Amino acid sequence: QSALTQPRSVSGSPGQSVTISCTGTSSDVGVYNYVSWYQQHPGKAPKLMIYDVSKRPSGVPDRFSGSKSGNTASLIISGLQAEDEADYYCCSYAGSPYVFGTGTKVTVL
Amino acid sequence: QVQLEQSGAEVKKPGASVKVSCKASGYTFSSFNMHWVRQAPGQGLEWMGIVRPSSGNTIYAQTLQDRVTMTRDTSTSTVYMELSSLRSEDTAVYYCAREEDHSYNLDYWGQGTLVTVSS
Repeated sequence: QSALTQPRSVSGSPGQSVTISCTGTSSDVGVYNYVSWYQQHPGKAPKLMIYDVSKRPSGVPDRFSGSKSGNTASLIISGLQAEDEADYYCCSYAGSPYVFGTGTKVTVL
Repeated sequence: QVQLEQSGAEVKKPGASVKVSCKASGYTFSSFNMHWVRQAPGQGLEWMGIVRPSSGNTIYAQTLQDRVTMTRDTSTSTVYMELSSLRSEDTAVYYCAREEDHSYNLDYWGQGTLVTVSS
């Protein structure tokens, strides 16, 4: 199972929106609506931000949203804030194994 | 509150084995699966496998299935991940992470355990 493909980095100014793509295959992202997104600050454990493609856990700001089209899922951060600067990973169920994305560094300019 | 407390950092020689523990508290242990995920220095997350505390059943990543063993002790609400025949490439932070059965997402994570493999 190959890692899902994410852009290495994205950046935006405070208040802007950024979108992170996560491209898989018809064996993972394309067939299951079990895509989740994790935020990781340096030296910290990952934190669940989005699950089931577009659902937000309690406590996650509503500026974080998710979507999916075909084999590609996306995380959208609207109204970018300084504390959103972190690494972000997508993850998809793939039938028995799970597969993570390659990770994207979000920089707030 | 939900807590996943992992064991401390380890330094091992190539060829040795390591066993990392993850003690759960604040919820019904048998109702949630436990995954193990690792992260090599400066690299991304890699899914290693899952153990179901209710049954002890496991599923491992294909790349590790010959070297990894995940077990649980329901009497102490603790899961274990043992990795054998260690190589320098196994140097990483190892995380346990909880999944509500059939939710397909990891809602709580341990603090991570650094395993260093060096001669």
